[in-house]
Amino acid sequence: EIVLTQSPATLSLSPGERATLSCRASQSVSSYLAWYQQKPGQAPRLLIYDASNRATGIPARFSGSGSGTDYTLTISSLETEDFAVYYCQQRNDWPLTFGGGTKVEIK
Amino acid sequence: EVQLLESGGDLVQPGGSLRLSCAASGFTFSTYAMSWVRQAPGVGLEWVSAISGGGGNTHYADSVKGRFTISRDDSKNTLYLQMNSLRAEDTAVYYCARSPGASGTWYWDFWGQGTLVPVSS
Repeated sequence: EIVLTQSPATLSLSPGERATLSCRASQSVSSYLAWYQQKPGQAPRLLIYDASNRATGIPARFSGSGSGTDYTLTISSLETEDFAVYYCQQRNDWPLTFGGGTKVEIK
Repeated sequence: EVQLLESGGDLVQPGGSLRLSCAASGFTFSTYAMSWVRQAPGVGLEWVSAISGGGGNTHYADSVKGRFTISRDDSKNTLYLQMNSLRAEDTAVYYCARSPGASGTWYWDFWGQGTLVPVSS
């Protein structure tokens, strides 16, 4: 099973600041990595797929990068609606797995 | 508009059974792969099971293999999850989610709002 480790667990930032979230895989996932945003009481929302492709309707301030085992989600300038939990997910191999999440909270 | 509506969540005793349903609308259901993803209270996301468009291929997490069965009825635009031998650790919100394609692109672009399954005596 591919284990995804997200860091940091919590990120405390102010609106307007840049957020950098990391996801490290226990083996290469060949860029088959997605990022989701989840707010309390809501279902997850797809942000990025295949490492760097923004999903439909996702603002340009969200970007993804990385390859092999190391991936990054960057939010260039945090808006108040961006404070949430973010998960990475790999589809390179079964079972499909998620990272443990990074909570982006208001400082 | 794509919509996924889960139902069937209910309090069940350990060892019991339950069937979840997910009614899909707004897209050609038969041509899309579908999955169930769950989230225990206060915890992260866990993929449970997946089925290809047309239902020819199914996959399960080790934690549910042999106890859960995923299926679909394309004539009714409905996805199912039959859950048997339920355990306390199966307690979670269960989400139905759509993959963008018949198979292979196993991430999820649309999600339902979830249905809660508490397993407790």
